[in-house]
Amino acid sequence: NAGVTQTPKFRILKIGQSMTLQCAQDMNHNYMYWYRQDPGMGLKLIYYSVGAGITDKGEVPNGYNVSRSTTEYFPLRLELAAPSQTSVYFCASSYTGQMNTEAFFGQGTRLTVV
Amino acid sequence: GNSVTQMEGPVTLSEEAFLTINCTYTATGYPSLFWYVQYPGEGLQLLLKATKADDKGSNKGFEATYRKETTSFHLEKGSVQVSDSAVYFCALSGGSNYKLTFGKGTLLTVNP
Repeated sequence: NAGVTQTPKFRILKIGQSMTLQCAQDMNHNYMYWYRQDPGMGLKLIYYSVGAGITDKGEVPNGYNVSRSTTEYFPLRLELAAPSQTSVYFCASSYTGQMNTEAFFGQGTRLTVV
Repeated sequence: GNSVTQMEGPVTLSEEAFLTINCTYTATGYPSLFWYVQYPGEGLQLLLKATKADDKGSNKGFEATYRKETTSFHLEKGSVQVSDSAVYFCALSGGSNYKLTFGKGTLLTVNP
């Protein structure tokens, strides 16, 4: 089972460049999330989606954009990369939005902005 | 708002030692509580969960009990193994939203 698949695994960007982090899930989950993980800081929610065509901001959305045209895909776009966006990015999904629902995570994308 | 405070790491133990990682939370209502584990080079995966007061979640020898009176969800294991070396995250979901709120994570290293 593939679960949640993220690409690329690693990327180095120059300041001002743009890129899209890809995320796909094959579990037919309605809910999808993007988190960033900074050292010693836990995970912070960037954006989330409750279904195709519906997205909303999380705690730290500035500098990012998302789209959700299908249930399977939830790409994260960085338009003008900044050093503050150096982080590990995790995509996650869950079947429902109920409080006790398990979230499934991808393996992460390690992004460095220089 | 919701928040999770967990024990600062890193924690280094010898194999077969007893493990406790403390976790306390702040939330309105009755949140669900989780422990996620992140093995080196991998994403997070659910270790265990509890959805109401006094529930005990357990998996792979790990346990945690939902204590509403102390707003805590401490993770314990009686005898750790080298393969338990990972980062452990306490998290909650609840209040007015279903999104997970994470603690900062605790790095556990178990030496042979």
